Amino acid sequence: DAKTTQPPSMDCAEGRAANLPCNHSTISGNEYVYWYRQIHSQGPQYIIHGLKNNETNEMASLIITEDRKSSTLILPHATLRDTAVYYCIVFLDSGGGADGLTFGKGTHLIIQP
Amino acid sequence: DTGVSQDPRHKITKRGQNVTFRCDPISEHNRLYWYRQTLGQGPEFLTYFQNEAQLEKSRLLSNRFSAERPKGSFSTLEIQRTEQGDSAMYLCASSLGASGLQQNEQFFGPGTRLTVL
Repeated sequence: DAKTTQPPSMDCAEGRAANLPCNHSTISGNEYVYWYRQIHSQGPQYIIHGLKNNETNEMASLIITEDRKSSTLILPHATLRDTAVYYCIVFLDSGGGADGLTFGKGTHLIIQP
Repeated sequence: DTGVSQDPRHKITKRGQNVTFRCDPISEHNRLYWYRQTLGQGPEFLTYFQNEAQLEKSRLLSNRFSAERPKGSFSTLEIQRTEQGDSAMYLCASSLGASGLQQNEQFFGPGTRLTVL
C-alpha cells in the first residue's frame, strides 16, 4: 500500500503557482520523498526528490516540513502542459530487492486557461 | 532518441493466447523494472532486474507472468494464457542505480497497452 496521502484532484490557473500537498506521516528517517508525474497516455516522469532539505530544480521545488511528515511540490508558473497526475512516493533504495516504486492514486492537477 | 523504448505499443489478443513484450532500457542503466497500470490506478510494481539478475519477482501477479533479461540488456515480459483481467498498460523503467547511492531516478518507457478480448 502507498505510504502517502494526496488529494485526488486540484485545479490551478495558468501562470499561477501550483502547490501540491502530500502527507507521509509514517516516513522513516532514511526514506526519501520522490515526485513523479504522468501526462495522459505517457509513462511517468521523474520531477524531483529530497530527504530533509528543500530542493529546487528546473521543473519544480520541493518543500519538506521539519518533521518530514508532509511535503509540498511547487510548480512556480503552471502551464497547460503541466496538466497531469502527480504522484508523491516515499522510497528507500536498499541496494537490492524490492526496489520498485509504490505509487498511490496521485493528484490529478488540471491547469485552467 | 536514447530513452526507454517498448514494443509493441499496443497489443490486442484473444483470451488464452500468450503475449510477449519487449523493453529496451537506456544503454548504461543496469536496473530494469516492470510495472502494470490499470485504469484510474497508479503503476503497480511487478519485478526488477539488476543487470541480468532478477532480484525481485514475488510481486509478479501469477505464475502466468515471467520476465527475462538475458545479457543484462533488453528485457521481455511474457504472459501465458492471457485473461481479460490482464488488460492493462505494461510499463518498463530503467535506472542507473548503484548500491548506497540515491540515484534511483527511474526513466519510464511509453508502455505497451494490452487488450485481452
